[in-house]
Amino acid sequence: GAGVSQTPSNKVTEKGKYVELRCDPISGHTALYWYRQSLGQGPEFLIYFQGTGAADDSGLPNDRFFAVRPEGSVSTLKIQRTERGDSAVYLCASSPKRNHKGGELFFGEGSRLTVL
Amino acid sequence: KQEVTQIPAALSVPEGENLVLNCSFTDSAIYNLQWFRQDPGKGLTSLLLIQSSQREQTSGRLNASLDKSSGRSTLYIAASQPGDSATYLCAVSKTSGSRLTFGEGTQLTVNP
Repeated sequence: GAGVSQTPSNKVTEKGKYVELRCDPISGHTALYWYRQSLGQGPEFLIYFQGTGAADDSGLPNDRFFAVRPEGSVSTLKIQRTERGDSAVYLCASSPKRNHKGGELFFGEGSRLTVL
Repeated sequence: KQEVTQIPAALSVPEGENLVLNCSFTDSAIYNLQWFRQDPGKGLTSLLLIQSSQREQTSGRLNASLDKSSGRSTLYIAASQPGDSATYLCAVSKTSGSRLTFGEGTQLTVNP
């Protein structure tokens, strides 16, 4: 696709439920990032993939959060036993490769998660 | 731990005015600094990227400067237009490909 695609754009769920958020990066981009943005705040880093492996997952807040990228393209962010504090916009970004244009990131429009 | 601060948090100006948005960061050991624009309910659009070895970058009416040693960057917008209304975010990275640390943004309103 032309840009980073994220689905769903909106997800409303109940406390305790399981949620999956999908990110389809720009074709050929090897680096993929997940960020979380609360209202009025800047995005906060969650996890970074280089290819299929998680190069840095130190931003994941706890073990309820997990992300995969099995074939080095599409990534899924998984949240177990959702809590109201997980409500936020989850942003995905991709980058062509290390050192390309100094690491410019291209963001999707985000998935807005609301936990009731 | 890197911290990024943006001042002001909000800014309202009349159309045509030149304006400056400020960004400061606590750890000067950065790889690059990026300025993004975010429209309500949308993702981030990259505006300018400055490598740590560079002093400034320009794109159209936008000019971003970087003073790495003092931990500061400014985004200058010339001849502002209502279409420039958005939230502007700056972010720094420590190494190539590493995470970005964002400021909380400056919400800009340009009034016709």
